[in-house]
Amino acid sequence: AQTVTQSQPEMSVQEAETVTLSCTYDTSESDYYLFWYKQPPSRQMILVIRQEAYKQQNATENRFSVNFQKAAKSFSLKISDSQLGDAAMYFCAYRSGGSARQLTFGSGTQLTVLP
Amino acid sequence: NAGVTQTPKFQVLKTGQSMTLQCAQDMNHNSMYWYRQDPGMGLRLIYYSASEGTTDKGEVPNGYNVSRLNKREFSLRLESAAPSQTSVYFCASTRGSTGELFFGEGSRLTVL
Repeated sequence: AQTVTQSQPEMSVQEAETVTLSCTYDTSESDYYLFWYKQPPSRQMILVIRQEAYKQQNATENRFSVNFQKAAKSFSLKISDSQLGDAAMYFCAYRSGGSARQLTFGSGTQLTVLP
Repeated sequence: NAGVTQTPKFQVLKTGQSMTLQCAQDMNHNSMYWYRQDPGMGLRLIYYSASEGTTDKGEVPNGYNVSRLNKREFSLRLESAAPSQTSVYFCASTRGSTGELFFGEGSRLTVL
C-alpha cells in the first residue's frame, strides 16, 4: 500500500516570504499522480496543485510550485510571496494511476502566516 | 454551481443511534468517496464507489455501510454509532481522467 508522509506538523512564515512544505511518499508504481490540497478554517478542501509522475517538469500555479524528485519520492510545495490568506492546513496526496483512483493523504502541515 | 453537497453539516448522536450522511454531486462524475478526518491523521478512506452499482472498502470501513443510489448519490450509514466515530466526514467525487477529487464541505459528527 502507498504511504504519504508529511514530517512537519506545523510551519510558520512571514508575510511576503517563501516557505517550503515537505512530503515524501512510498510506492512501487510507475504511473501515479501527486497533489497538494489546502484546507482553510472553513474546512473546504481546495486543490492547490497537481503533478503527473510521467512529467519531468515541475508544476507551477501562480505563487505555488512543486519540487518533484521522482527517484527520491519527494514532492515538496513552495509558496512564494506568502499572503495571510495562505494560512491553512496543507495536505499532500497520492493517487494511483489505476482505475479506482482514490487518494491517499498525508497527515497535514498547519501553515501560519505572520503579519 | 453546487458541486458536491453533503447533509447534514453537523450532527450529535448518542452511542448506539443510527444515522445516514447524504452526498450528491452534479458534475456527472463516475467515482465517489467517503473519507473521515481526525486530528493528526489526515483523511482516511472509508468506502468508495468506482462507478454506479459498485462499492468497495477503503482503509477504515468497520462500523459503516454505504449505498450508491444512482450516479449522483452516495450515502454513508452508521448503524450503531460509537464515540470512536466522532469525526469530520467528507464526501468527494472525481471525473476520473485527471484524478482530482472535488470535495463537499464536510459533516461534523459527534457521538456521545
